[in-house]
Amino acid sequence: EADIYQTPRYLVIGTGKKITLECSQTMGHDKMYWYQQDPGMELHLIHYSYGVNSTEKGDLSSESTVSRIRTEHFPLTLESARPSHTSQYLCASSAGPAGAFNHFGPGTRLTVT
Amino acid sequence: KNQVEQSPQSLIILEGKNCTLQCNYTVSPFSNLRWYKQDTGRGPVSLTIMTFSENTKSNGRYTATLDADTKQSSLHITASQLSDSASYICVVSDRGSTLGRLYFGRGTQLTVWP
Repeated sequence: EADIYQTPRYLVIGTGKKITLECSQTMGHDKMYWYQQDPGMELHLIHYSYGVNSTEKGDLSSESTVSRIRTEHFPLTLESARPSHTSQYLCASSAGPAGAFNHFGPGTRLTVT
Repeated sequence: KNQVEQSPQSLIILEGKNCTLQCNYTVSPFSNLRWYKQDTGRGPVSLTIMTFSENTKSNGRYTATLDADTKQSSLHITASQLSDSASYICVVSDRGSTLGRLYFGRGTQLTVWP
């Protein structure tokens, strides 16, 4: 079982609030990813990191930002939440070559009212 | 355009029955194909991963097949249980970039009834 954690699991917040979704892994994986998933739809990559101080935007444009100051920690921040940000956010990590086996966290279900 | 298509979109079966889920892909160059199980409100959990040279792989009651020539994969579930109710996602990785990009299907929503 992969050791990758996300908090909070569920978040309901008002429009305009700043939020940070936490993701931590204890496996020492160098690569970490954030995906966005709407109900019944495929996962879309929004951010990835290949190591400390390395972050890149993914395929799906997102108003969120990420940081990678420590190997085990990859938080995602929304400066001003909007209802269009309502979705499930999944964090993942992997070791070895890019495209290698991904371990997923349990996800954060975000609802912006 | 690299794509992953899954069928059926949803499936209802009775407990104890077998079922087969399909995945067709156009991803090229191909690196590997994975099947994940995603319970509602949870993150995906890996069931199998297959490379180009592998045509079948089992994990308990789950058996995945891969035909890299026709770019098709299937996931067969034997003697289904209520706990098998979940979304099953096919994910294909390419080897054409350093990212090793992953392409996700939309999943098949399986419901197992008692």
